[in-house]
Amino acid sequence: AQKVTQAQTEISVVEKEDVTLDCVYETRDTTYYLFWYKQPPSGELVFLIRRNSFDEQNEISGRYSWNFQKSTSSFNFTITASQVVDSAVYFCALSEAYMEYGNKLVFGAGTILRVKS
Amino acid sequence: SQTIHQWPATLVQPVGSPLSLECTVEGTSNPNLYWYRQAAGRGLQLLFYSIGIDQISSEVPQNLSASRPQDRQFILSSKKLLLSDSGFYLCAWSAHGTGDNYGYTFGSGTRLTVV
Repeated sequence: AQKVTQAQTEISVVEKEDVTLDCVYETRDTTYYLFWYKQPPSGELVFLIRRNSFDEQNEISGRYSWNFQKSTSSFNFTITASQVVDSAVYFCALSEAYMEYGNKLVFGAGTILRVKS
Repeated sequence: SQTIHQWPATLVQPVGSPLSLECTVEGTSNPNLYWYRQAAGRGLQLLFYSIGIDQISSEVPQNLSASRPQDRQFILSSKKLLLSDSGFYLCAWSAHGTGDNYGYTFGSGTRLTVV
């Protein structure tokens, strides 16, 4: 069975600090996808990134970066120089390769990030 | 481009009243559709998913039901709301088939308060 663990329930940082959100997953599939979503106070889930299990390259997008390590089944998310606008709930998710036949995203419990000015 | 619409945005309903939340997707055909609920301060709980018209799977026994009368329309209903039905309801869609997996696209959500 697939499982996603976000061990950090809540993190508080001061603006401009770097922060890393942890995500550990379990799956027996050799091909799978990993995702991160952001849920700001408005509630809508916003897609941030997806990663195919065959692509272990780390990715950087502005202040955001993702570290995918298959050896440790982790897909961690780092925000550099955090800002108040980064305050949100962040969800890590895992799915099988194809979204047919109702294959579902398995979400972690989410990490609440609070960035104080 | 594909868009997903969900309404209403907020709803306050008395206990025992019926519920109908609607979700529609534009710009794609035969999507997989999902209803999630998020209780205050909690994670996402999958309630229902559908791979086609009138094909609904329930993940958790609920006071709720779902229907898919048209390809791109997904409705969440209840005959009699309970206090525990309060929460934030999210609709989502994903592409159907063996193509590349882009995960879910979520609607903007409905915040339901049962009083």
